[in-house]
Amino acid sequence: GESVGLHLPTLSVQEGDNSIINCAYSNSASDYFIWYKQESGKGPQFIIDIRSNMDKRQGQRVTVLLNKTVKHLSLQIAATQPGDSAVYFCAEIYYNQGGKLIFGQGTELSVKP
Amino acid sequence: DTGVSQDPRHKITKRGQNVTFRCDPISEHNRLYWYRQTLGQGPEFLTYFQNEAQLEKSRLLSDRFSAERPKGSFSTLEIQRTEQGDSAMYLCASSLGEGWASEQYFGPGTRLTVT
Repeated sequence: GESVGLHLPTLSVQEGDNSIINCAYSNSASDYFIWYKQESGKGPQFIIDIRSNMDKRQGQRVTVLLNKTVKHLSLQIAATQPGDSAVYFCAEIYYNQGGKLIFGQGTELSVKP
Repeated sequence: DTGVSQDPRHKITKRGQNVTFRCDPISEHNRLYWYRQTLGQGPEFLTYFQNEAQLEKSRLLSDRFSAERPKGSFSTLEIQRTEQGDSAMYLCASSLGEGWASEQYFGPGTRLTVT
């Protein structure tokens, strides 16, 4: 079936380095993509979103890139901090599907001090 | 705290028992979603409400599961005759707006353990 998946289950980086978390999606009809951060024992927290008519969007220390040609999404975190340690999920929404999120498996980011 | 709240945070029950979880969305949010998350996986959609109307149910939601949102505010999710496979984190999220792409705010979840 169609799903959103992640390339790497774990990522370890040094504090201060930049992090890149990747995501592949299979449904070319998806219109909206979101990155969520989930800390242990908590619900997912919205980080940044991007619509399918864009290829890049920037937030505070985060950038999301969308490559529709290869159906690839990435989250870049600048100057990674220990507080960024968490599991990161990408999620997609199909147009007019009531807004239900389709999540991938997740990447665990570990930041070494 | 004006975020999404869920109760209880943890529930341990014996197989065959019924359990009910509650979700209080952010005030004024018209949409409410339930998801289930197992260890190491992303949340999976179960069902959603727009106001008090339940508009979609996933095939994951067997006949043992029922959700309500009687007054368009809080919602309950009941699981009857629990099975060990029901052990998971049950997440609730809410959003505001009529559009299909509006930000969903998640609660902390209810962790269910069926023994």
